[in-house]
Amino acid sequence: DVKVTQSSRYLVKRTGEKVFLECVQDMDHENMFWYRQDPGLGLRLIYFSYDVKMKEKGDIPEGYSVSREKKERFSLILESASTNQTSMYLCASSFRQGRTDTQYFGPGTRLTVL
Amino acid sequence: SQQGEEDPQALSIQEGENATMNCSYKTSINNLQWYRQNSGRGLVHLILIRSNEREKHSGRLRVTLDTSKKSSSLLITASRAADTASYFCATTYSGGYNKLIFGAGTRLAVHP
Repeated sequence: DVKVTQSSRYLVKRTGEKVFLECVQDMDHENMFWYRQDPGLGLRLIYFSYDVKMKEKGDIPEGYSVSREKKERFSLILESASTNQTSMYLCASSFRQGRTDTQYFGPGTRLTVL
Repeated sequence: SQQGEEDPQALSIQEGENATMNCSYKTSINNLQWYRQNSGRGLVHLILIRSNEREKHSGRLRVTLDTSKKSSSLLITASRAADTASYFCATTYSGGYNKLIFGAGTRLAVHP
């Protein structure tokens, strides 16, 4: 079975802190994604990566950065956390388009910024 | 930018009844997928239907796709309390690096 893990289920940080969210997948997927989920807004794509060291902005990249130094690991970084970044963060991975388009999701990290 | 919009936003039914959820989207797609999310958890893939398919079945799930109307429906037959979850449709499009564009979801409550 595909496994996507996220470093924390719950995280509480203070405004201005630098926050790292880690995601690891074990299926040798080329693509990895970070979403945030807010009530009534569904999932919105923050960033994605289609290869090591490659990244593309999603719909809401402001206030975030990402890092992909190894194929299996994709990190989301909040350089200076703000209260409006309180949300559920979901990581996903998939094969490159053309093989299968199914994305596999981690359990999510619920981040609260105080 | 949301591609899909689910309808209804919330649905409450009794065990044994069928549940139908609808999804509309805006642009041409490669395929459309349905995912389920149990409360506070990650999403689980349910079924994928390609743009050249009209209907697909998987167990108690039946998905239809009407590309002329840019819409899809998910039918869950003989629902169970364990089907209580949020259901999302998501679309992919050509040249999109397999990016998924999600709707806001339908919250389904199945009462024993």
